[in-house]
Amino acid sequence: EDQVTQSPEALRLQEGESSSLNCSYTVSGLRGLFWYRQDPGKGPEFLFTLYSAGEEKEKERLKATLTKKESFLHITAPKPEDSATYLCAVQGWGAGGTSYGKLTFGQGTILTVHP
Amino acid sequence: DAGVTQSPTHLIKTRGQQVTLRCSPKSGHDTVSWYQQALGQGPQFIFQYYEEEERQRGNFPDRFSGHQFPNYSSELNVNALLLGDSALYLCASSPALSSNQPQHFGDGTRLSIL
Repeated sequence: EDQVTQSPEALRLQEGESSSLNCSYTVSGLRGLFWYRQDPGKGPEFLFTLYSAGEEKEKERLKATLTKKESFLHITAPKPEDSATYLCAVQGWGAGGTSYGKLTFGQGTILTVHP
Repeated sequence: DAGVTQSPTHLIKTRGQQVTLRCSPKSGHDTVSWYQQALGQGPQFIFQYYEEEERQRGNFPDRFSGHQFPNYSSELNVNALLLGDSALYLCASSPALSSNQPQHFGDGTRLSIL
């Protein structure tokens, strides 16, 4: 069964203080690893998809990286508007190389950036 | 371009009642998945619909059922509601099943059971 563990559970940063969020996973054949951002009272907003170890994606102050066992979301010089819950999810290949799209999520990291 | 829309946004029910939640996928998407998100937790997969059929199901009891219509919209039905069913119910849509495109989520329906 696919499993995702995120750490830390909560992270408080000062504006401009760079840091990283961790996502450890086990999956029987990784089809994709997804990062989402979720604001209070809203649904998850898609950020990145990573498909293979060594891959990196960037968007503004965020950079996502992937190894065979974990993914990191690096936040450079964060601003208060980056405060949100960041969710990591994996999608695995099922039997016979098929995938029906089920996402398995971690519990999320609550990021708070103080001005 | 309208994203994923869900209705209603909030709902209050009592134990034992039945509820129906609705979802319209993003334009161009034909696959719909439903997730349950308890407070402080990540979303948990309930099931996925494609071509009006349930293609994959998570570890949820038969009280949870769904339907997909020819226009790709979907419903989630929950019977015999329990207090533990209180959660945010999220709908996500994506293009055809074999695509690598990410799932896009609606803002959910907040279901409270009294």
